[in-house]
Amino acid sequence: QVQLQESGPGLVKPSETLSLTCTVSGGSITNYYWSWIRQSPGKGLEWMGDIHYRGSTNYNPSLKSRVTLSVDTSRNQFSLKLTSVTAADTAVYYCARLVRGALAQYFHHWGHGTLVTVSS
Amino acid sequence: DIQMTQSPSSLSASGGDRVTITCRASQSIVSSLNWYQQKPGKAPKLLIYAASSLQSGVPSRFSGSGSGTDFTLTISSLQPEDFATYYCQQSYSPLLTFGGGTQVKIK
Repeated sequence: QVQLQESGPGLVKPSETLSLTCTVSGGSITNYYWSWIRQSPGKGLEWMGDIHYRGSTNYNPSLKSRVTLSVDTSRNQFSLKLTSVTAADTAVYYCARLVRGALAQYFHHWGHGTLVTVSS
Repeated sequence: DIQMTQSPSSLSASGGDRVTITCRASQSIVSSLNWYQQKPGKAPKLLIYAASSLQSGVPSRFSGSGSGTDFTLTISSLQPEDFATYYCQQSYSPLLTFGGGTQVKIK
C-alpha cells in the first residue's frame, strides 16, 4: 500500500520561501504523477501543481510565478517550493498521487497533510 | 477556470436516510468529475471517479451520476461513518478545481 508523508517547517515568515517534501513509501515514485494540494478555510481545496517522475510539471496559473515542484527518484521524494509567502498561504498542505485516467484525473493516495502557518 | 458549485453547502440527516449532493460545473466537463470524502483532521478520500466509477474498497451505498454540467453523489442509506464533508473535483480542464464542499451532519 502506497503511503505519502509530508515534511517541512510548520512556521514560515512572510516573504520567505515555504519548502515541503513528500516521501513516498510502499511503492515507487516512477511511472506516476504527483501533486500538491492545499486547504485553507478561506479558499477550500486548491490544486497547486503536479510533477511527473521524469520531471515535467503543470502548475496552477494563480501560483505559477511562485511555485516550483521537483522530484528525486533516488530518494522516492518530490518537493514543493513556494516563494514570497504571505498570510494567505497559511494552509494544510497535502501531497497526493495523481492518476491520469482515460476519462478523469483524480487524486488517489494522499499524505496526512501538514499545517504551515505564515507568521512573523 | 471551471467553477464547481456544490449544493447544499450543508445538510442534516439521520442514519438510514438517502442523501443526495449536487455538483454543477460552469461549463461542460463531460464525465471528468470525481468525488471525495473528508473527515475532520484527515485527508480527502477518493470515492467516485469519472462521474460514476466506484473506487475499489468504497461501499456500494455510494454512487455517482451525471454528465455535462450536472452531477450527483448519492448515499443510499447513511451510515454513522458517513458523516463528513464531501467535495467534487473536475479534471476536464488542465487547471484542476474543487467544489466548495458539502458537510453532512447528524440530525
